[in-house]
Amino acid sequence: QKEVEQDPGPLSVPEGAIVSLNCTYSNSAFQYFMWYRQYSRKGPELLMYTYSSGNKEDGRFTAQVDKSSKYISLFIRDSQPSDSATYLCAMILTGNQFYFGTGTSLTVIP
Amino acid sequence: SQTIHQWPATLVQPVGSPLSLECTVEGTSNPNLYWYRQAAGRGLQLLFYSVGIGQISSEVPQNLSASRPQDRQFILSSKKLLLSDSGFYLCAWKNPPTYEQYFGPGTRLTVT
Repeated sequence: QKEVEQDPGPLSVPEGAIVSLNCTYSNSAFQYFMWYRQYSRKGPELLMYTYSSGNKEDGRFTAQVDKSSKYISLFIRDSQPSDSATYLCAMILTGNQFYFGTGTSLTVIP
Repeated sequence: SQTIHQWPATLVQPVGSPLSLECTVEGTSNPNLYWYRQAAGRGLQLLFYSVGIGQISSEVPQNLSASRPQDRQFILSSKKLLLSDSGFYLCAWKNPPTYEQYFGPGTRLTVT
């Protein structure tokens, strides 16, 4: 079983839709959770990070962590064509042990 | 503000040739530095990380090596490239004790 599981998609939605991206993990010791956005042929860009269960909001983005279910989500409201990218979840076991999902490819259709 | 640079952006090398990829970080001191490889559909694979000058931890045994000759410089090397070394190489940094990790623009390596 992989430490972090992420549905690769691809996911295709119309502009303005609410997008839900999800990851599950197996190790309850993970303590810090991040979401990255990666455009084609570019490096990943850190979007959001959180360490506690619950929701964290930043503009159109909301990161949600449910430690009891070992499940994290990223919601994108009012999705835009510029949101078309691959989204990676990441989590940390200790200071330098990062675990990444394989990414979900998202296309927002105008 | 902090910035991270990688070069070259793209590289095509024959099998058996040497490799040197460079990464530098500006605007911060004593960062932790990382080298990752990203293969299509396989996510990010941590290759090396460094917590200080001359300190390298290897996560995956292979024909690659890393060095950190200066505080904000991280180099990925190989003496003889294999076809399987092709991929997208990403350098990243973070400032301990924080957890947020930031990536560079990447180097796309094709071994022919």
